[in-house]
Amino acid sequence: GAVVSQHPSWVICKSGTSVKIECRSLDFQATTMFWYRQFPKQSLMLMATSNEGSKATYEQGVEKDKFLINHASLTLSTLTVTSAHPEDSSFYICSARTGGSEQYFGPGTRLTVT
Amino acid sequence: AQSVTQPDIHITVSEGASLELRCNYSYGATPYLFWYVQSPGQGLQLLLKYFSGDTLVQGIKGFEAEFKRSQSSFNLRKPSVHWSDAAEYFCAVGENQGGKLIFGQGTELSVKP
Repeated sequence: GAVVSQHPSWVICKSGTSVKIECRSLDFQATTMFWYRQFPKQSLMLMATSNEGSKATYEQGVEKDKFLINHASLTLSTLTVTSAHPEDSSFYICSARTGGSEQYFGPGTRLTVT
Repeated sequence: AQSVTQPDIHITVSEGASLELRCNYSYGATPYLFWYVQSPGQGLQLLLKYFSGDTLVQGIKGFEAEFKRSQSSFNLRKPSVHWSDAAEYFCAVGENQGGKLIFGQGTELSVKP
C-alpha cells in the first residue's frame, strides 16, 4: 500500500516551453502533497506544500509564478514549470500523505531543458 | 536555523562489514527524525523513524539508528552490509510525522565485493 507515482519519469523540453509533471497517490487519498527539487548529488529541497482544494504554500525563494502547483483532487497534484530554462533542469520529487501519516515519495521526474 | 548535516558524502564498505552513517541535526524543538534510502529509479523509502521513547530504533532491512540528544545525532547502523544496500541515504528532520522535512546532503554508500 501507500504507492505514489509520477509521470513522466523523464522529460526533455526546449527552453521557453512549459512542462507539466503529475503526482498521483494510487491507493490512498492524499490530503497533502509536497514537491521537492533535487540537484545531482545534492539533497532534496522542499519547493511547496499543497493541500487539496487550497492554494499551494511555497518555500522562500521559490517562484510561484514559475512553478505552478495544482492539487485539484485527493489523488492528483501537478507541477507545471512555465517558460522553462536550462537552469530548471533537475530531478523533481513529490510526496503525499493522508491525515497525520508519514510522507510517501514518488520515484521522481527528471527534467532536462535544452 | 534548522538543519541536518551528514558529514560523509561517500562511504565504501566491504560486503559483510558493519556500517555507520552519521547524521547531526539542529532543531529548536523535539525533532522527528527519519532515515530514507534512495535507489536509482525508485522513490525514497523510509528505513526508520524516531519520535519518542526508546532511543534505539529498529527499521527495515536490518538497519537501526540511535538517537542521542546530548550529541544531536541520529546515526544509522547495520551490522553486516549486503551488496544490495548500495544506494544514497538521507537523514531528515521534521516537526511532526507528516510535516515538512529538512534533508541532509545525503551519503552515497558503495559496497565492495
